[in-house]
Amino acid sequence: NAGVTQTPKFQVLKTGQSMTLQCAQDMNHNSMYWYRQDPGMGLRLIYYSASEGTTDKGEVPNGYNVSRLNKREFSLRLESAAPSQTSVYFCASILSLGRSYEQYFGPGTRLTVT
Amino acid sequence: ILNVEQSPQSLHVQEGDSTNFTCSFPSSNFYALHWYRWETAKSPEALFVMTLNGDEKKKGRISATLNTKEGYSYLYIKGSQPEDSATYLCAFSSGGSNYKLTFGKGTLLTVNP
Repeated sequence: NAGVTQTPKFQVLKTGQSMTLQCAQDMNHNSMYWYRQDPGMGLRLIYYSASEGTTDKGEVPNGYNVSRLNKREFSLRLESAAPSQTSVYFCASILSLGRSYEQYFGPGTRLTVT
Repeated sequence: ILNVEQSPQSLHVQEGDSTNFTCSFPSSNFYALHWYRWETAKSPEALFVMTLNGDEKKKGRISATLNTKEGYSYLYIKGSQPEDSATYLCAFSSGGSNYKLTFGKGTLLTVNP
């Protein structure tokens, strides 16, 4: 049981390049999330997927697209990377049991756009 | 946009001190309040999920209280140890079928030996 996994762990891109951040969870969770973490800003929600086949924008979706490929996988795509997208990206998933929700985070992807 | 505030921003204490920090959140449409512990270069680790007004949760030397009517939660650490050094995050949810969390910016705790 690996929990939430993310690839890659580190990435350097040039402005204008594209890339996809991969996230997978093996806990059979319905909901998955992408956050970015910037100094002094805390964790901000980019996109989320409440269930397989659905995706919704979060607080800071501009410049990103997502795909919920199946129940396990939720990918984040940067079509044309910008220096403002330099950040640490965290994927998370939630287990809901009645009124109890526990969110589990992946290890993060550190992205630098030059 | 929901406003979740944490104070203080940072805190330095000596080993053995007890400490507490605050999380303020909207008192309307409350569903749950989450606390996380986040060590540098690691991913956030869940501490507590609190849903009922007056809830108190405890895990070892760490405890938390919840007041949903006035919109605040306190996190307490008794007898701080250097390994407690981390950023403590709270996150608010108003529930719903699309369960989302709005995070505060965190309180950075440094415990000096």
